[in-house]
Amino acid sequence: NAGVTQTPKFQVLKTGQSMTLQCAQDMNHEYMSWYRQDPGMGLRLIHYSVGAGITDQGEVPNGYNVSRSTTEDFPLRLLSAAPSQTSVYFCASRGPGGTEAFFGQGTRLTVV
Amino acid sequence: QKEVEQDPGPLSVPEGAIVSLNCTYSNSAFQYFMWYRQYSRKGPELLMYTYSSGNKEDGRFTAQVDKSSKYISLFIRDSQPSDSATYLCAMSVNTGNQFYFGTGTSLTVIP
Repeated sequence: NAGVTQTPKFQVLKTGQSMTLQCAQDMNHEYMSWYRQDPGMGLRLIHYSVGAGITDQGEVPNGYNVSRSTTEDFPLRLLSAAPSQTSVYFCASRGPGGTEAFFGQGTRLTVV
Repeated sequence: QKEVEQDPGPLSVPEGAIVSLNCTYSNSAFQYFMWYRQYSRKGPELLMYTYSSGNKEDGRFTAQVDKSSKYISLFIRDSQPSDSATYLCAMSVNTGNQFYFGTGTSLTVIP
């Protein structure tokens, strides 16, 4: 099992560009989520999904879109990148009744 | 007010010391309390979780929850250099609900 796989690992964007961060899991988990991690702010929830076709907003959703067409994949789209979106992004999945969230390795995004 | 507060440290201890990491929270509905360990440039990994109040022990690690004080702790006995990492507490109302994370405490164990 690969667990949760995120691509790319690193990315530099110019202000105004758009991009998609990919996340895939092979554990057949229904619950998937995207977090951003900033110094002094901890992990903050951006969007989450409780199953294919169902998504909802977290604490800091502005500037991000998600979709969930399959159980395995949960991509995060940055619509028009801003320097405030410079962060480390983590995707996580969780099994039913689970207290354990499995995290990917993260994507380090810099917006210049 | 943040849902979960955690002292960011950094904390530096000699090898073999007992380490105490703590979090406080404001939402009395939280029932699940978790500790994650995050090595540099890696994703967090679950270390331990506790349901409701009480203690839980796993090897050198002990998690404590005091719901009356809204306070949780993680103790590490006989700390090792390999314990050097950032420790994040996390909480949720239910297993299907959102996790709320602390900001993390950076720990360095000096050989």
